[in-house]
Amino acid sequence: GQQVMQIPQYQHVQEGEDFTTYCNSSTTLSNIQWYKQRPGGHPVFLIQLVKSGEVKKQKRLTFQFGKTKKNSSLHITATQTTDVGTYFCVEQVDAGGTSYGKLTFGQGTILTVHP
Amino acid sequence: GVSQNPRHKITKRGQNVTFRCDPISGHTALYWYRQSLGQGLEFLIYFQGNSAPDKSGLPSDRFSAERTGGSVSTLTIQRTQQEDSAVYLCASSLELGQGAHGYTFGSGTRLTVV
Repeated sequence: GQQVMQIPQYQHVQEGEDFTTYCNSSTTLSNIQWYKQRPGGHPVFLIQLVKSGEVKKQKRLTFQFGKTKKNSSLHITATQTTDVGTYFCVEQVDAGGTSYGKLTFGQGTILTVHP
Repeated sequence: GVSQNPRHKITKRGQNVTFRCDPISGHTALYWYRQSLGQGLEFLIYFQGNSAPDKSGLPSDRFSAERTGGSVSTLTIQRTQQEDSAVYLCASSLELGQGAHGYTFGSGTRLTVV
């Protein structure tokens, strides 16, 4: 089945540094969602991207959907200790498929921020 | 939010366990996922209204799930094995595939099989 690959698997940064995680698929995605999971917590929805080349911002977070809709990225400017956690890009099967609604999670990028 | 119980469950190998999920009121779609330590989320099953559930992610016939009255759901694992140890997460959404507002996850049930 379809699978999204996420890199890097781990990222350690000093507080104040920027951080980027990338998500890649071999097939065209109908949409991509991003979730954050704090250590010991559950995934929390951040955003959904649908349109080719779409860029959305949430404060220090910038999300981008590639023009081919085969890749996506999340960029955090000036990281803070509160950004610590695992960031997942999540693929939702196309509406034409029989498994529409099933989210396929990547392995995630674990971000640690050193104060 | 989505409520799950119990939060933690320790069981002996071979025993049956059942977890409960109360979705957000009005959410018609409900999902179960499993997360092993340090891993991503593995899809198990989803329910949408009165439609037949998508059971394609259930790892074996020891796993089963029900959703009664389109609301509360239970996930049952029979004859538990050590590899079943994981966090079992439930999520709900307004309707099947509703992505604009994302899926709301519960806090999960951590299962430890000893």
